[in-house]
Amino acid sequence: AQSVAQPEDQVNVAEGNPLTVKCTYSVSGNPYLFWYVQYPNRGLQFLLKYITGDNLVKGSYGFEAEFNKSQTSFHLKKPSALVSDSALYFCAVRDRDNYGQNFVFGPGTRLSVLP
Amino acid sequence: SAVISQKPSRDICQRGTSLTIQCQVDSQVTMMFWYRQQPGQSLTLIATANQGSEATYESGFVIDKFPISRPNLTFSTLTVSNMSPEDSSIYLCSGWGPSGSATGELFFGEGSRLTVL
Repeated sequence: AQSVAQPEDQVNVAEGNPLTVKCTYSVSGNPYLFWYVQYPNRGLQFLLKYITGDNLVKGSYGFEAEFNKSQTSFHLKKPSALVSDSALYFCAVRDRDNYGQNFVFGPGTRLSVLP
Repeated sequence: SAVISQKPSRDICQRGTSLTIQCQVDSQVTMMFWYRQQPGQSLTLIATANQGSEATYESGFVIDKFPISRPNLTFSTLTVSNMSPEDSSIYLCSGWGPSGSATGELFFGEGSRLTVL
């Protein structure tokens, strides 16, 4: 069975500092990995995904994430946080070896960027 | 990626009534899903909306309570039937794979925020 863990409910960071939102996953096969952001009263917006190839993937709004197969992790990062990055972030996984398998979402991490 | 329009965006409903949420995608998609989300919480998959056939429901969700239609590749509805305060939640429509690509991401509508009194 697939699962996603986001070990931190809340991450606080000062504006201008680097940020990391952590994600670990478990799948029986090989993963497709995704990050989404949700602003208040909005739907989820896609940020980036890892499919194959380079372990470092770049996405929207200056975010990037690094796939680490040995640690089964896919942490989201940004070199310099903005107050406008404050939102709820979700990591998701899908098993690439099981076409019919649904996406599984993590519990979410609330990021607060303090001015 | 495709754009999903979802309505109503919010509603306040009386106990015992039913409400239908509509989801329109601006292009054909392979699969459509309905999720429920408590504010600030993660997503729970209700069902996969199948074109021209009965939806596939996840454990804990049944057709009598959450009837779903998907008459074509761009439109789906979710009805929340005989509502109780416990049904107060955000309901999200999502789509996947306009090209049938296995590597595609899910994309979401803006959600429908239901409050049941």
